[in-house]
Amino acid sequence: AQTVTQSQPEMSVQEAETVTLSCTYDTSESDYYLFWYKQPPSRQMILVIRQEAYKQQNATENRFSVNFQKAAKSFSLKISDSQLGDAAMYFCAYRSLRGSQGNLIFGKGTKLSVKP
Amino acid sequence: GAGVSQSPSNKVTEKGKDVELRCDPISGHTALYWYRQSLGQGLEFLIYFQGNSAPDKSGLPSDRFSAERTGGSVSTLTIQRTQQEDSAVYLCASSLTTSGSMYEQFFGPGTRLTVL
Repeated sequence: AQTVTQSQPEMSVQEAETVTLSCTYDTSESDYYLFWYKQPPSRQMILVIRQEAYKQQNATENRFSVNFQKAAKSFSLKISDSQLGDAAMYFCAYRSLRGSQGNLIFGKGTKLSVKP
Repeated sequence: GAGVSQSPSNKVTEKGKDVELRCDPISGHTALYWYRQSLGQGLEFLIYFQGNSAPDKSGLPSDRFSAERTGGSVSTLTIQRTQQEDSAVYLCASSLTTSGSMYEQFFGPGTRLTVL
């Protein structure tokens, strides 16, 4: 079974600085999707960025980018020019493309604080 | 357009009572998921509906939990004889099931269930 590990329960960053959140996963599959979701105190899960495993190019969405290392099974999220609104829980998630396994498998999350 | 909606937003119940949680997915989304988020934890998969196929119930923690999806749209998660360990936020998500959409899941705001 696939697992997702986020080894940093909490992180802190100064406003305007850059921070990297770590995520590793375990799978025997060769094709899958990876996601980073943001969950602010409102509880609403918001998709930040996504990556298809067969694509070698790292995904980028404005200030958010990933470092996808398929061989190492690593999928870290980099937030540049951090803003106060970036403070939230961040969850890394894996989606299999095999059979009927449509659900996401989540890590336990990293709580990001942004200091003004 | 409208996003995923859930009701109620908060539910307080007494141990042993039954509760029903409702989810309205995004119109046109064929896949619907229920997750449970316990305090300080990541999201735990409960059940997955895909079109008219039999649901994937592999994540349901006990036979006290059940869910249905009527007419391929609205879903209800029912917890019978609630226990204190059922206290959590219950999140619903929906998605298209096309590779072009990358299976992105859109989440509702969740229902916070408290069992006294």
